Parts: sequence; structure tokens; C-alpha cells
Amino acid sequence: DGGITQSPKYLFRKEGQNVTLSCEQNLNHDAMYWYRQDPGQGLRLIYYSQIVNDFQKGDIAEGYSVSREKKESFPLTVTSAQKNPTAFYLCASSGDYEQYFGPGTRLTVT
Amino acid sequence: AQKVTQAQTEISVVEKEDVTLDCVYETRDTTYYLFWYKQPPSGELVFLIRRNSFDEQNEISGRYSWNFQKSTSSFNFTITASQVVDSAVYFCALSEAPGGSYIPTFGRGTSLIVHP
Repeated sequence: DGGITQSPKYLFRKEGQNVTLSCEQNLNHDAMYWYRQDPGQGLRLIYYSQIVNDFQKGDIAEGYSVSREKKESFPLTVTSAQKNPTAFYLCASSGDYEQYFGPGTRLTVT
Repeated sequence: AQKVTQAQTEISVVEKEDVTLDCVYETRDTTYYLFWYKQPPSGELVFLIRRNSFDEQNEISGRYSWNFQKSTSSFNFTITASQVVDSAVYFCALSEAPGGSYIPTFGRGTSLIVHP
């Protein structure tokens, strides 16, 4: 089945450690996105990529990094510079119009 | 700049009631796209509908219906005879260009709670 996978669903890390969240899609979409969602909040855009080997900062890129070496993959690294990394992270992709979302990764940093 | 406002933060209804979720948008473009997404407790956003600015026809899909009115810049979503499974957060979104280059603007979401 076509779709977006994110792994793992739950992730726990100690403060000061970098952590990489996986996002893979088999929808043949060019564009991919990372969003952060905090409890009771909407979606905030972290990074997006419109094509392989190119990506742009979103509204809250500080403390995060991404890569887009393959069309199917858009991993997000939460670095130790991110001051408040505990959140729900959603990956999405799009073809021409609407976005399709993965199941999300809930990251807890203690 | 584009903006999407979902003024209702939370709505609570009893099963079988009808409920309307409001969405008001702002954009300077004449060509744009509007979307509704559903986020159930599991967390994954599910795409529900897309509307382009040239198509003001209302749409009905089972118990769901959407009312698009350019005159009031609104794209409201009605659930008829609500069910417990409709409990979710619903997001309205606006995009000003088609294709992979667009970055949609999301509203803050409306949490719908349907009580049995």
C-alpha cells in the first residue's frame, strides 16, 4: 500500500543527545515536510523539501536539521540545541495539492 | 500573507446532534485551495476534502458536508448525526498555489468531542 511511514512511534532520549526521526514515503511525491505539534496546538512547520538535495527552513527550524538524499526519505534530526524537543512530530508529503501525513513520532526528552 | 482562523477551540456535542465547524480564511490570491483534515486520537492527520477557489459548489459525502462561500471567505464543515467516532481535532488549511511548491497554512484546529 502507498503511504508514509514514520519510525519509531515513541522515542525517548536523554537531554543533550541528538536523535533522528525517520520518514519514508512510497507515493512518488516530490515535496516532503516536517511539522511539530505541541499539546492543544496546531501544526508548526520545521523544514520542507520540494525536490531531492534541496530543503528550506520553516517557521521553527532552529535546533533541527534535515537531509533529502533520496526522493523517498526525509529524516529529521533533533539536535541538542533544540531547547524544548519534547513534542509530537509529523511528516507529510504532497504531489499536486493536498498533503498526506505519516502516523507521527512522539518524542520525549528527559 | 495568508491566514486561517478556526475560532472554535473545542466543541462538545451528544451523539446524533449535527455540528458545524467554522473556518474563515484570508488571502490576496484569486487562485487558492482549501482543505479539511481530521486528526483522530491516534495522531495521524487524514485528508478529507480539497476545494479550489473557482468551485463554490457545496459538497456532501455521507454525513459530511462542506459549505464554501467566497463572499464571506468561509469554508465550513458540517457533520450530520454525529457519532462517537467523529471525535477528533479538525484542521482547516489554505494553499495559494498548486503543486509541490506550496506551503499550506493551517488553522489551529477545532477539537470535537462527541459524547454517547
